[in-house]
Amino acid sequence: KAGVTQTPRYLIKTRGQQVTLSCSPISGHRSVSWYQQTPGQGLQFLFEYFSETQRNKGNFPGRFSGRQFSNSRSEMNVSTLELGDSALYLCASSLLGGTAETQYFGPGTRLLVL
Amino acid sequence: AQSVTQLDSHVSVSEGTPVLLRCNYSSSYSPSLFWYVQHPNKGLQLLLKYTSAATLVKGINGFEAEFKKSETSFHLTKPSAHMSDAAEYFCVVSDSTGFQKLVFGTGTRLLVSP
Repeated sequence: KAGVTQTPRYLIKTRGQQVTLSCSPISGHRSVSWYQQTPGQGLQFLFEYFSETQRNKGNFPGRFSGRQFSNSRSEMNVSTLELGDSALYLCASSLLGGTAETQYFGPGTRLLVL
Repeated sequence: AQSVTQLDSHVSVSEGTPVLLRCNYSSSYSPSLFWYVQHPNKGLQLLLKYTSAATLVKGINGFEAEFKKSETSFHLTKPSAHMSDAAEYFCVVSDSTGFQKLVFGTGTRLLVSP
């Protein structure tokens, strides 16, 4: 079974631009979560989607948004990019998103904002 | 709110010697706890998880962890380190809100010398 895939793997943007990252979960998984990883803040939860609905959200500004499609694929969008948005963005999937379930992570998208 | 504290930012061992990575958790109820490993420029891989079954949990690659409620600890151990174990290790607790949200520790970098 194929793992979680994320595209693109690397991205360079300039301040003020917007960016869209894509995540394809493991086949059959309906829950998709997003995390941001930076050297200063570590790994932080962004949001979680299940059946096209956002069920949980972390403490990020409204510039960070996401959506999930009917095939469970998910996208996250960051508008008006800031230098501090430079990070590794990780997507994870699980079957139903229960608290005891294992989340399987993709390789991440590394975003650099200049 | 749930949280985890990884007591060491770096741990150095020699190949063939035991590994101990320490983690304390804070939770108002019986938590779900995980250890993930991240190799350079890679995503996160699950090593093992505890979900209120056996307190001694065995994972992949010879790692195991013991849940100790009285000490609020979930330390990761391996009897004999291998060079390929060099990576960053994250202790993680699952949030209690009912939907999946992982709370990560700050990570421990394991260095293995020949």
